[in-house]
Amino acid sequence: SQKIEQNSEALNIQEGKTATLTCNYTNYSPAYLQWYRQDPGRGPVFLLLIRENEKEKRKERLKVTFDTTLKQSLFHITASQPADSATYLCALYSNSGYALNFGKGTSLLVTP
Amino acid sequence: NAGVTQTPKFQVLKTGQSMTLQCAQDMNHNSMYWYRQDPGMGLRLIYYSASEGTTDKGEVPNGYNVSRLNKREFSLRLESAAPSQTSVYFCASSGGRPGDIQYFGAGTRLSVL
Repeated sequence: SQKIEQNSEALNIQEGKTATLTCNYTNYSPAYLQWYRQDPGRGPVFLLLIRENEKEKRKERLKVTFDTTLKQSLFHITASQPADSATYLCALYSNSGYALNFGKGTSLLVTP
Repeated sequence: NAGVTQTPKFQVLKTGQSMTLQCAQDMNHNSMYWYRQDPGMGLRLIYYSASEGTTDKGEVPNGYNVSRLNKREFSLRLESAAPSQTSVYFCASSGGRPGDIQYFGAGTRLSVL
């Protein structure tokens, strides 16, 4: 069966450090991988999309890598700030192309 | 700039009662989705509508029905609510092309007693 796995344990880091979150998947052949942010009591918000032929994608302090051989994506937040504290979700479209499936998310806490 | 609007925001039901969750988008998107989110389970797809006039089951469709009323609106109905359906429900929409990002509503918090 298709699985998307993210670290279930919360990640606690100090302000200014780089946070690295991991997303591993099985039984997908994704052309795209997406990352979303979710704050408590709110719906997820899109952050970044990376295509299968892209090794790396950047947006301001965010960086995503995509290794289709390892079946893994890494999500980095550099110079982290307390405002970055949230849950981050990895998402992949099913092989049918219409249903977007999400990992369970990793909670990030950035402390001053 | 409303985006995806869900109603109601909160609801408490008794076991066996029925209700319909409403969702509307104003982005002219083709595809719409209903998810539920439970602690430790993440977001799970209930039903989706790839385009107007079509609906398909997701991962957890049992106990739910959906209607794609028109391009803007996609409703989720609980015919006979059960405590296991206590959850936060999110509606989302996307353009419907491969890789399109999804836009989410604010959620409906449902408790079934």
